[in-house]
Amino acid sequence: AQSVTQLDSQVPVFEEAPVELRCNYSSSVSVYLFWYVQYPNQGLQLLLKYLSGSTLVKGINGFEAEFNKSQTSFHLRKPSVHISDTAEYFCAVSKAVVSGGYNKLIFGAGTRLAVHP
Amino acid sequence: DGGITQSPKYLFRKEGQNVTLSCEQNLNHDAMYWYRQDPGQGLRLIYYSQIVNDFQKGDIAEGYSVSREKKESFPLTVTSAQKNPTAFYLCASSGTSGGLYNEQFFGPGTRLTVL
Repeated sequence: AQSVTQLDSQVPVFEEAPVELRCNYSSSVSVYLFWYVQYPNQGLQLLLKYLSGSTLVKGINGFEAEFNKSQTSFHLRKPSVHISDTAEYFCAVSKAVVSGGYNKLIFGAGTRLAVHP
Repeated sequence: DGGITQSPKYLFRKEGQNVTLSCEQNLNHDAMYWYRQDPGQGLRLIYYSQIVNDFQKGDIAEGYSVSREKKESFPLTVTSAQKNPTAFYLCASSGTSGGLYNEQFFGPGTRLTVL
């Protein structure tokens, strides 16, 4: 079975500062990894995903993440945050399937990013 | 515009009552999902359906029921058997193509409060 641990429940940061949201996963098989963002009282939006290939993944809104297999991590980074980045961020893992199978998503508990002026 | 709609946005229920949450999608997706979100716990899968007239229990199905009579619709009923139903409920859908991964698209959610 897969599991996800988001190491920080809350991350406060000042506007224009860099930020890193940490995510570690556990799995005995190959996985896909995802970061989602959720604004207050809204659904989730996919920021970026790692399926295969390059371990540095670029997503929307200037975010990027790096897959580190040896450390079983998938940390999310942004070099300069804006007030509008204030939201909850979820890391998720799915068992890698060969083709057309069901990708069950396992979510972490979330990290609340608060950007202050 | 294609997307997923959930209604109502806010729902209040008295203890002992069943209540049904609506989820509709016009993305022509075969698969649909229901998640429950509680503070500090992330999202947990309640039920999912990969095709019309078929659905499977997720990790926390007790006290919930679903139906999938149409491709576009996947309503969730929260029954009186659910001990702690107050939560934020999210519906999602995805394709089932032969690629590596079928992205799940999420609706805006329904916040259910039991009074």
